[in-house]
Amino acid sequence: AQSVTQPDIHITVSEGASLELRCNYSYGATPYLFWYVQSPGQGLQLLLKYFSGDTLVQGIKGFEAEFKRSQSSFNLRKPSVHWSDAAEYFCAGPHTGNQFYFGTGTSLTVIP
Amino acid sequence: AAGVIQSPRHLIKEKRETATLKCYPIPRHDTVYWYQQGPGQDPQFLISFYEKMQSDKGSIPDRFSAQQFSDYHSELNMSSLELGDSALYFCASSSANYGYTFGSGTRLTVV
Repeated sequence: AQSVTQPDIHITVSEGASLELRCNYSYGATPYLFWYVQSPGQGLQLLLKYFSGDTLVQGIKGFEAEFKRSQSSFNLRKPSVHWSDAAEYFCAGPHTGNQFYFGTGTSLTVIP
Repeated sequence: AAGVIQSPRHLIKEKRETATLKCYPIPRHDTVYWYQQGPGQDPQFLISFYEKMQSDKGSIPDRFSAQQFSDYHSELNMSSLELGDSALYFCASSSANYGYTFGSGTRLTVV
């Protein structure tokens, strides 16, 4: 079945350090892939999306993600993390039909 | 820019009561999706509508029903509420390849 997986449940980084959150997908064709961020008790905010074309996608808040077909990955990166980036991050992509399938999420903690 | 509007933001109901959640998609978005996110869980797909017709169905309980109206807004009706229905309910809308935009969610608490 088509799906996305996030191998890391929780990640802790120091403020100012670089960040990479992993996302792997299993799709037959080129997938549509998204990254969302969710602050505690808040809604889901779209960070970036990949449909086709340039495999390096720029998003909001200084985030970027790179689609790598050879690795079936769509990892989210940020060169320098801010304390306000602490949140839950979800990778997502279309499931069968019109369903939108989320990974299990990666919780990011930022330490001073 | 207009976003997906959900109402109410918070809702407290007692067991066995009924709740109705509303979603107003982004103008010209033709597809609406409902998701349920339990505490500490990832969002789970419930149901979707395309051009006012149900297009896909996920893990929606039989006690829940939904519809999309002529103005494209959607309502999720939840009856015989149970404690386990307490969750954050998200609505999202999309059009073609523009991706999904989520509303801020309705937090339902069943007591």
